[in-house]
Amino acid sequence: KAGVTQTPRYLIKTRGQQVTLSCSPISGHRSVSWYQQTPGQGLQFLFEYFSETQRNKGNFPGRFSGRQFSNSRSEMNVSTLELGDSALYLCASSLGLQGRNEQFFGPGTRLTVL
Amino acid sequence: AQSVTQPDIHITVSEGASLELRCNYSYGATPYLFWYVQSPGQGLQLLLKYFSGDTLVQGIKGFEAEFKRSQSSFNLRKPSVHWSDAAEYFCAVEPYNNNDMRFGAGTRLTVKP
Repeated sequence: KAGVTQTPRYLIKTRGQQVTLSCSPISGHRSVSWYQQTPGQGLQFLFEYFSETQRNKGNFPGRFSGRQFSNSRSEMNVSTLELGDSALYLCASSLGLQGRNEQFFGPGTRLTVL
Repeated sequence: AQSVTQPDIHITVSEGASLELRCNYSYGATPYLFWYVQSPGQGLQLLLKYFSGDTLVQGIKGFEAEFKRSQSSFNLRKPSVHWSDAAEYFCAVEPYNNNDMRFGAGTRLTVKP
């Protein structure tokens, strides 16, 4: 069974631009969560989608948004990029909502904002 | 405030030695508890989790963790470390009544030959 895949793996953008990251969950998994990982702030929860609906959201500004499609694939969008958005963005999928359901993480997308 | 703390940023142990990584949490009620490992350039892999019941939890790769309610701790242990265990380890907690998973800052493990 294929694992969680994230595309692209690496991305370089400039301030003010927007970016879209993609996550394909493990087949059969209906929940997708997104995390931001930085050296300064560590791992922080962005949001979780389940059955195309955002079920939970972390403490991030509205520039960070996401969506989930009917096939459970998810995209995350960041608008008006800032230097501080440079991070590793991790996607995780699970059968059901996170918590009692084990999350499987993808390798991440490394975003660099210049 | 709700928080999860990993007091040790970096730990170095010799191969074959025992290991204990500390994790403390501050929540009103016992949350779900997890340990993850992240190797360089990789995503996170779940080592073990605690929801309820037996306070000693066995995980993959020979790891175990013990939940101690009185100390609000969930320390990770391994009796004999292998060089391949060198990685970053994250403790995570999630309140049982919502899906807001919080991670500790991580502990980087170096294994000496």
